[in-house]
Amino acid sequence: EAGVTQFPSHSVIEKGQTVTLRCDPISGHDNLYWYRRVMGKEIKFLLHFVKESKQDESGMPNNRFLAERTGGTYSTLKVQPAELEDSGVYFCASSPHRTYSNTGELFFGEGSRLTVL
Amino acid sequence: DQQVKQNSPSLSVQEGRISILNCDYTNSMFDYFLWYKKYPAEGPTFLISISSIKDKNEDGRFTVFLNKSAKHLSLHIVPSQPGDSAVYFCAATFGGTSYGKLTFGQGTILTVHP
Repeated sequence: EAGVTQFPSHSVIEKGQTVTLRCDPISGHDNLYWYRRVMGKEIKFLLHFVKESKQDESGMPNNRFLAERTGGTYSTLKVQPAELEDSGVYFCASSPHRTYSNTGELFFGEGSRLTVL
Repeated sequence: DQQVKQNSPSLSVQEGRISILNCDYTNSMFDYFLWYKKYPAEGPTFLISISSIKDKNEDGRFTVFLNKSAKHLSLHIVPSQPGDSAVYFCAATFGGTSYGKLTFGQGTILTVHP
């Protein structure tokens, strides 16, 4: 079974440009999460989808970030316009329906590294 | 306000010895605590978890201890192996419908020398 896949693995853009990151969760996983790690600091929660609905977007930094999960399958995270402080590694994670486990075990992708120059 | 802290950025141990990684938290409402391991260029991988109602959970070479009064947890790896060299993240969650909303520490780089 394929794991969580993310694309691109690395993106280098200039300040003011737009970038779209994509995440394909494990098939059948209703829950999809976006996290971000900036400059070797802690990994921070951005938002949580349950199927196509946003369950919690309290971690989104500002309105330059837009996440979608049309059809409840893959998700995209768009940054527009990108700023220098948006540089970091963006992780996507998924998990099955919550009755499977409530211990916080998530399956993470390898991350998309974003560099804003 | 960082609610989960790992005060040791790095730890170096000899193969076969015990590795002890520490984590402190501030919010007593956390319901579960977890450890994730991360290799370079990979995503974090779940390692072990513990419920707030327990004080110890063991899985093979890995044991997590929880001290609620001190708001402290630790991960023991015995015996340590070179393949354990990675970044270890402590994380906490409130559980329930928010179980996947993890609050992470900054990570500790573990290096196990042959």
